[in-house]
Amino acid sequence: KAGVTQTPRYLIKTRGQQVTLSCSPISGHRSVSWYQQTPGQGLQFLFEYFSETQRNKGNFPGRFSGRQFSNSRSEMNVSTLELGDSALYLCASSAGGGASGYTFGSGTRLTVV
Amino acid sequence: GQQLNQSPQSMFIQEGEDVSMNCTSSSIFNTWLWYKQDPGEGPVLLIALYKAGELTSNGRLTAQFGITRKDSFLNISASIPSDVGIYFCAGPSHGSSNTGKLIFGQGTTLQVKP
Repeated sequence: KAGVTQTPRYLIKTRGQQVTLSCSPISGHRSVSWYQQTPGQGLQFLFEYFSETQRNKGNFPGRFSGRQFSNSRSEMNVSTLELGDSALYLCASSAGGGASGYTFGSGTRLTVV
Repeated sequence: GQQLNQSPQSMFIQEGEDVSMNCTSSSIFNTWLWYKQDPGEGPVLLIALYKAGELTSNGRLTAQFGITRKDSFLNISASIPSDVGIYFCAGPSHGSSNTGKLIFGQGTTLQVKP
């Protein structure tokens, strides 16, 4: 059974640009959560989608947005990139059934220069 | 807001030694999760705890849900080199117990000397 697939694995962008990251959940999973991981702030929740609707949102500025498609695949977008947006972006998917049911992908490493 | 405080921040131990790390919070959690993250990978769930006082094992790993529901610990017995990584405690954000909105501790980095 394929795991959570995140593309691309690595990305380098320039300040001011925008970026779109993709997450393909495990087949049958309808919930996708996104996290930002940095050495200083650790793992921080960005947002969660379930059946194409945003179910939860973390404390990030409006430059961070996401969406989910009818096949449960999800994308997150960061506009007007800042140096501080450099991080590992992780997504996790679940079929439901509680907080312990989420499987993480390997992440997208974003570097903003 | 909710916070999870993990200690120690890092550990450097000899192969074969036992390891203990813990996680505390000022607020109650109804679920405690322990994850391990290898370099370049996402966190992998090791153990999930659902009831105060619960003690659960997964191979050489044992975790307990504190009686006050404000703490949890993870023990690793007879450590081996592949135990190297970052260990995180986590719990669902209040009001979001059945969702993917998790609060994570800062992590304990474990290094094992063969």
